[in-house]
Amino acid sequence: AQSVAQPEDQVNVAEGNPLTVKCTYSVSGNPYLFWYVQYPNRGLQFLLKYITGDNLVKGSYGFEAEFNKSQTSFHLKKPSALVSDSALYFCAVRDDNYGQNFVFGPGTRLSVLP
Amino acid sequence: GAVVSQHPSRVICKSGTSVKIECRSLDFQATTMFWYRQFPKKSLMLMATSNEGSKATYEQGVEKDKFLINHASLTLSTLTVTSAHPEDSSFYICSAPRTGLVDTEAFFGQGTRLTVV
Repeated sequence: AQSVAQPEDQVNVAEGNPLTVKCTYSVSGNPYLFWYVQYPNRGLQFLLKYITGDNLVKGSYGFEAEFNKSQTSFHLKKPSALVSDSALYFCAVRDDNYGQNFVFGPGTRLSVLP
Repeated sequence: GAVVSQHPSRVICKSGTSVKIECRSLDFQATTMFWYRQFPKKSLMLMATSNEGSKATYEQGVEKDKFLINHASLTLSTLTVTSAHPEDSSFYICSAPRTGLVDTEAFFGQGTRLTVV
């Protein structure tokens, strides 16, 4: 079975400081990993993904994530947070052994304080 | 631009009535679409998998007679909430996977906020 954990319900960070949103996963096959962001009353917006290749993946809006196979982690990072980054962030995994469905983590609410 | 369009974005209906939500893939064909439900401050929970040309596959605990899914074409799936009740009020999101040369990526609709009064 596949699963995704986001250990922090809430992350608070001051504007201009680096931010990290944590994600760990469990799959039986090769993991395809994704980060999505959701603003209030909106659908999900794609940020970045890891399929294969370099472990450090760069995505939209200055976000990046590092795939760590030994730790089964895919933490989302940004060097300098903006107030506009405040939103709900979801980590997701797709395991080819289970078709095309994505399994989502519980979400982490990021608040960037001015 | 958006590759999956979901309509309506917001709907208020009276208890006992039915509501239809549409999900369209705009520039690709989707033989499979997913319908999710999101409770306040919670993650997305998969309700069902919509399959073009065949019956939808429902997740455990989801009433198929209440949440009717029709995948009428390769670009359109609809979710009808029948005889809606206040407990059906939620945020519903559809997703369509698009398979490229390397991988499959999920595209999400804008979501529908359903309020049953």
